[in-house]
Amino acid sequence: QLQLQESGPGQVKPSATLSLTCTVSGGSINSKSDYWAWIRQPPGKGLEWIGSVYYSGSTYYNPSLTGRITITIDTSKSQFSLNMRSVTAADTAVYFCASQWELTSIEYWGHGTLVTVSS
Amino acid sequence: EVILTQSPGTLSLSPGERATLSCRASQSLSKSYIAWYQQKPGQAPRLLMYGTSSRATGIPDRFSGSGSGTDFILTIKRLEPEDVGIYHCQQYGWSPYTFGQGTRLEIK
Repeated sequence: QLQLQESGPGQVKPSATLSLTCTVSGGSINSKSDYWAWIRQPPGKGLEWIGSVYYSGSTYYNPSLTGRITITIDTSKSQFSLNMRSVTAADTAVYFCASQWELTSIEYWGHGTLVTVSS
Repeated sequence: EVILTQSPGTLSLSPGERATLSCRASQSLSKSYIAWYQQKPGQAPRLLMYGTSSRATGIPDRFSGSGSGTDFILTIKRLEPEDVGIYHCQQYGWSPYTFGQGTRLEIK
């Protein structure tokens, strides 16, 4: 069974860059059907799709975040990463990595990691 | 972007009853590109339904989905205590892929 695990700092200073990595195991990151996604959930709020990356490196971003985010993939390490620049308190959230089948529904999720933007 | 509005905000029912959760889209989804998730406190969401009416692996047939266009429904029959949680709908017909704000299901 596919497993995903987020890693990265739990606290980031305002205006800094948030960097998270997701490690994929139990399946191939080179899957032709899976897109590797980042989704976030501010405390007590709903879910927001941040963006997805394909094994080839093609990326798909939420326009509300385009310009601040970069999602990359390292197939040799079975990892994909999120960089989010110029963070503010509004970026405080639980960040999930996940596999999004053919850019549709999301069956496999990481446990999520809370990132707090605070000085 | 497509805005999904879920209702009610909170649903409080007794074991054995039927729950009906609504998800309304701000524009028509030409195909049945709606998924439903269940989320328990401190956990990641779990996929329940995709393609409006297809159950994900391991989901009991007490769960069913229906709808088309802009109006979609998740029905849970014979509620059990373990069904408590927040239910999210998601549309993947239009990018950016969006989620509703969630319906909280409480079991009395």
